Amino acid sequence: QVQLVESGGGVVQPGRSLRLSCAASRFTFSSYDIHWVRQAPGKGLQWVASISSDDIIKNYADSVKGRFTISRDNSKNTLYLQMNSLRAEDTAVYYCARESDFRFDFWGQGTLVTVSS
Amino acid sequence: EIVLTQSPDTLSLSPGERATLSCRASQSVSSYLAWYQQKGGQAPRLLIYGASNRATGIPARFSGSGSGTDFTLTISSLEPEDCAVYYCQQRNNWPITFGQGTRLEIK
Repeated sequence: QVQLVESGGGVVQPGRSLRLSCAASRFTFSSYDIHWVRQAPGKGLQWVASISSDDIIKNYADSVKGRFTISRDNSKNTLYLQMNSLRAEDTAVYYCARESDFRFDFWGQGTLVTVSS
Repeated sequence: EIVLTQSPDTLSLSPGERATLSCRASQSVSSYLAWYQQKGGQAPRLLIYGASNRATGIPARFSGSGSGTDFTLTISSLEPEDCAVYYCQQRNNWPITFGQGTRLEIK
């Protein structure tokens, strides 16, 4: 079964940085676009960023553009999200999700990021 | 940005009843519309893609319909385990957007 396992979450002060990772297994990681989706406490789902399978095309939500950077290492089957200049409103559970034919068919269990002084 | 508006916000029904959840897009998303189920404390799970195709392992009581701007998720006969929040998502335009969710309660 496809596995996506996020890590790197924690408590961080406003203005600081954090890097999330998403380790993929049991599928050919380099063949799929991957996304980050977040969910603030008690709120709905918000798409954050995506990266193409070949690491060429990256897209970002306006709310994180210029502060977050998505990347991947296909040799390590790992996705990353570098988050800089963090704000209180970035507090959320961050999920990575695999895209297959325009659908997010597998999701990780999520990692919680709390931005607080 | 395409806004997806789901209705109702909350739906409370009994086991065996039929549930009808709606998702309306602010502009056409063709058939690039998916539905996800999220139970408390869990990651979302794909139910329906391409507006009407059931994902692998999803029970036949779940069905999707619609195209363009109006979509429906139907659960034909509710089971207690269907208690969850349901989200629609469009993949036709950037940015990718989700609806605000419909909470389904089972009496």
